[in-house]
Amino acid sequence: EAGVAQSPRYKIIEKRQSVAFWCNPISGHATLYWYQQILGQGPKLLIQFQNNGVVDDSQLPKDRFSAERLKGVDSTLKIQPAKLEDSAVYLCASSPGLAGYEQYFGPGTRLTVT
Amino acid sequence: AQSVAQPEDQVNVAEGNPLTVKCTYSVSGNPYLFWYVQYPNRGLQFLLKYITGDNLVKGSYGFEAEFNKSQTSFHLKKPSALVSDSALYFCAVRSRTGFQKLVFGTGTRLLVSP
Repeated sequence: EAGVAQSPRYKIIEKRQSVAFWCNPISGHATLYWYQQILGQGPKLLIQFQNNGVVDDSQLPKDRFSAERLKGVDSTLKIQPAKLEDSAVYLCASSPGLAGYEQYFGPGTRLTVT
Repeated sequence: AQSVAQPEDQVNVAEGNPLTVKCTYSVSGNPYLFWYVQYPNRGLQFLLKYITGDNLVKGSYGFEAEFNKSQTSFHLKKPSALVSDSALYFCAVRSRTGFQKLVFGTGTRLLVSP
């Protein structure tokens, strides 16, 4: 079974530029998550989708971050414009559903904003 | 709101000795509890979870964890540590109600010496 795919693996941009990350979840997984992991911290949920609907985006900085999951499969996370404090690893995860299901994580995208 | 505390930034143990990585949580009602491990430059890997039933949960790679409701703890244990167990370990809690967001602790680095 293929795991969660993410691209790119690394990205370096200057502040005020825009960037987009892509995620392809495990086939058949209804729930998709985007996390931000700042160095030395645990992952923080940015947004979670159930199929193509948003379940929780309470911690997404909506003035600069946006995410979509078209057709309930792939997802993209965008930052525009980027700030220095956005430097982090962005993790995508998927699970068969909510509740007690474990989440399967992709390798992450390491973003450096200079 | 739920939260997780991992009181130790790092745990050092000699190979062959038992290991414990501590985790306490705060959540309304009964929790879902998870342990994940993160190796360098890789995403998080699921180790084990507590949903209901037996308080002692067994997971991957010989790890186990004990759910203690009265102490609100979910400590990770292994009877005999391996050098290859050296990694970053995250405890996470999820509420059974509301948005059911998964909240992670700050992580504990486990270092197993030969």
